[in-house]
Amino acid sequence: AQKITQTQPGMFVQEKEAVTLDCTYDTSDPSYGLFWYKQPSSGEMIFLIYQGSYDQQNATEGRYSLNFQKARKSANLVISASQLGDSAMYFCAMRDASGNTPLVFGKGTRLSVIA
Amino acid sequence: EPEVTQTPSHQVTQMGQEVILRCVPISNHLYFYWYRQILGQKVEFLVSFYNNEISEKSEIFDDQFSVERPDGSNFTLKIRSTKLEDSAMYFCASSVQADHIDTQYFGPGTRLTVL
Repeated sequence: AQKITQTQPGMFVQEKEAVTLDCTYDTSDPSYGLFWYKQPSSGEMIFLIYQGSYDQQNATEGRYSLNFQKARKSANLVISASQLGDSAMYFCAMRDASGNTPLVFGKGTRLSVIA
Repeated sequence: EPEVTQTPSHQVTQMGQEVILRCVPISNHLYFYWYRQILGQKVEFLVSFYNNEISEKSEIFDDQFSVERPDGSNFTLKIRSTKLEDSAMYFCASSVQADHIDTQYFGPGTRLTVL
């Protein structure tokens, strides 16, 4: 069974600074995908970034990058140049390659960006 | 940019009543999902749907829940007899494919309050 662990319930970061949100995962499947979603206070779930288990390069999407360390089973999200609008809950999720599997989510990290 | 839409945004109902939550997935997507998020908790999978039938369901998705794709665009979740513990945010999601590399895009959610 897959499992996602996010150990930081809350994080603070100064505006314009970079921040790393931790995510570790567990799966027995060699093929899997890792995802990060942002949930602002309005409640919607916004897809941010994806990393495949066989991708050689760390994924990047604008100010978001994923620090993927396969041997450590970690997929940390790095947000560079934080903005006030980045204040939100951030969820790490994964799904494995076993057919039409659902996403499994972590408990999330609440990021607060301070001016 | 195409997006998943959900109606209503907020539903208040009395315990024991039936509710239907509606979703319009992204038009070229073939796989549809319902997730729920109890306030302050992580997102949990309910059910996945493909080719007019349920692909997978979780333990949460018991006999009081049902899903339907009544026409070519809508995807609905029905809760037959709501309980207090059904109060949550319900998210619809869709994806083009079902494999682990395919991103699921979420709708804005329906907040269900059972009184």
